Amino acid sequence: SAVISQKPSRDICQRGTSLTIQCQVDSQVTMMFWYRQQPGQSLTLIATANQGSEATYESGFVIDKFPISRPNLTFSTLTVSNMSPEDSSIYLCSVEDRGGATEAFFGQGTRLTVV
Amino acid sequence: AQSVSQHNHHVILSEAASLELGCNYSYGGTVNLFWYVQYPGQHLQLLLKYFSGDPLVKGIKGFEAEFIKSKFSFNLRKPSVQWSDTAEYFCAVNAQHSGAGSYQLTFGKGTKLSVIP
Repeated sequence: SAVISQKPSRDICQRGTSLTIQCQVDSQVTMMFWYRQQPGQSLTLIATANQGSEATYESGFVIDKFPISRPNLTFSTLTVSNMSPEDSSIYLCSVEDRGGATEAFFGQGTRLTVV
Repeated sequence: AQSVSQHNHHVILSEAASLELGCNYSYGGTVNLFWYVQYPGQHLQLLLKYFSGDPLVKGIKGFEAEFIKSKFSFNLRKPSVQWSDTAEYFCAVNAQHSGAGSYQLTFGKGTKLSVIP
């Protein structure tokens, strides 16, 4: 199993600003994932963060808007840049073993409100 | 690409009532199936999972789910709910994409369960 600490847990931000969300895992993991959960919607994968290489973004998400860092095997950050009210959402960090088919572990999420 | 449908957005039950939450997926290949739960103020956590074998899977806290391949379904059940079961429940499918050689985890939109004491 893995314990994931994510912060901040919530924030209210002004439009046009940026917010960086941190994700710390209690064990070394190869792949970390960032999801977005918009109100009334399912979890949507934003990107996969690998240590030592650039993140892989899903369709509809770009690096300029959601830059990701992965400096080591236990830590990652997601930045939501130039925010607008449409970015109001819950952002979740996750780890899982994609080499096999095991369960995913999640942080508690960051509830972002853009005003 | 696979997709997951959860039939109910919000379910309200009295304590001791029986629960069944529907989940259907669309994917023609081999899948692994999950139910995750998010209690108020807590992180998502695994409730139960199906990889292979007995299609009736038992999870924590008295929950179970049945995989019916012919119906592409993985419904979650509990015979008698408690107030502490109030949470949001997410069905998820993890399918291997042979072209990419990797698994992709897809979630349903979630079902909010409210149990009235």
